[in-house]
Amino acid sequence: AQKVTQAQTEISVVEKEDVTLDCVYETRDTTYYLFWYKQPPSGELVFLIRRNSFDEQNEISGRYSWNFQKSTSSFNFTITASQVVDSAVYFCALQEYGNKLVFGAGTILRVKS
Amino acid sequence: DADVTQTPRNRITKTGKRIMLECSQTKGHDRMYWYRQDPGLGLRLIYYSFDVKDINKGEISDGYSVSRQAQAKFSLSLESAIPNQTALYFCATSDVMPGQGKGAGELFFGEGSRLTVL
Repeated sequence: AQKVTQAQTEISVVEKEDVTLDCVYETRDTTYYLFWYKQPPSGELVFLIRRNSFDEQNEISGRYSWNFQKSTSSFNFTITASQVVDSAVYFCALQEYGNKLVFGAGTILRVKS
Repeated sequence: DADVTQTPRNRITKTGKRIMLECSQTKGHDRMYWYRQDPGLGLRLIYYSFDVKDINKGEISDGYSVSRQAQAKFSLSLESAIPNQTALYFCATSDVMPGQGKGAGELFFGEGSRLTVL
């Protein structure tokens, strides 16, 4: 069965610090997809990234970067030079091919000025 | 206007009442989902539908029912609401399974419906 673990319930940082949100997943499939979503205080869910299991290249998008390591079943998310607007709940999710999307419990990120 | 619209956005009701949450989408997606969000538990899938004639239970379907009235509409009902159904409910849509088409397969969410059952 597919499972996603976000062990960090809540993280607090000071603005401009770098922060990494951890995501560990479990799956028996060789074909699967990993996602990150952001939920700001306003409540909507915003898609950030999707990764498939055959592409282990790390990705960078502005201050955001993602580190996908199949050897450790991890898909970690790093925010460089954090800003107050990054304060949100971040969800990691896993989808096996032909199956449904399963979410982790989420990590609350608080960025203080 | 939002691509995925949920109504009502907020609702307070009493135990035993029947509640319907409605979702409509303008994205033209075949796949629609209902999720429930509780603090510390993330989002859990209640029901999903891959097309108008296809309805499937998710991991926490007990106490809920759904209706897919059209490609664009997917309603969630609580036949007899109870306090532990107090939560934030999200409707979502997706185009294809990841890898089956040009879409990324990501979910597009509505703004959420906050339900309180007293």
